[in-house]
Amino acid sequence: ETGVTQTPRHLVMGMTNKKSLKCEQHLGHNAMYWYKQSAKKPLELMFVYSLEERVENNSVPSRFSPECPNSSHLFLHLHTLQPEDSALYLCASSQGASLSTGELFFGEGSRLTVL
Amino acid sequence: AQSVTQLGSHVSVSEGALVLLRCNYSSSVPPYLFWYVQYPNQGLQLLLKYTSAATLVKGINGFEAEFKKSETSFHLTKPSAHMSDAAEYFCAVSDRGSSNTGKLIFGQGTTLQVKP
Repeated sequence: ETGVTQTPRHLVMGMTNKKSLKCEQHLGHNAMYWYKQSAKKPLELMFVYSLEERVENNSVPSRFSPECPNSSHLFLHLHTLQPEDSALYLCASSQGASLSTGELFFGEGSRLTVL
Repeated sequence: AQSVTQLGSHVSVSEGALVLLRCNYSSSVPPYLFWYVQYPNQGLQLLLKYTSAATLVKGINGFEAEFKKSETSFHLTKPSAHMSDAAEYFCAVSDRGSSNTGKLIFGQGTTLQVKP
C-alpha cells in the first residue's frame, strides 16, 4: 500500500444509518484532512488534524464526527445524514500542517449517496 | 481572506492545441498557489506549486504556470494538449491565516475536454 487509501470507495446509506469512512496514509505525514466535494461547488475543508489533535472544524454539522486515533489513520463517522450530504469525501495528508513544508496528498475519495 | 476564481468551468481544445486555464487569486499576504488535477474517479494530484521562488513554475505532464502579482493571476498552460489531459483542474491558494493549519482554498474547478 502506498500513498493515501480510503475505504469504502462507494457507500449508500439511509438517513437513519450509522456508517464510517476510513482513511489511512502510508507517507509518514503528521497532518490529515477531510474535504467534501459536491457537484458544481468548490472543495470544502471539513476537518484538520495535526499530530492527532483537531485544529480545524469548519462549522461542520454534528452528524459528521471525525476521529484520528493516530497519525496514520483518520475516520469520519456518519450519523443521521441528509440527502444533501451526498458527495465525494476526500481525505488528504501533509508533512506538517504548515503549507511551507509541502503539498497535500489526496486519497481517491469515498463516494457517499444518502437515500 | 484568501480566495480563488477560475474563469470558465469548461474548456475545450483540440489535440495538439494550446491549453490555457485561468486562475485569479485574492490574498492579503504573499500567496502560495497550487494547481491540482483530478482524473475521473480519482483523487486530486498536484501538478505544480508556487511558493515565492521562481515566478514561472514547471510541473508534471508538461504543464507550467506563471505567477503574475500585478495581475493576481496564476494561469496554467501546456503548449500541446494530449487526449490524456482531459480531466478537472483546480487552482488553490493557501490560507495562511493565524492558525497556519495548511488549509487550501480551492476554486470551483475547470473541466478540460480534449477533442481528437
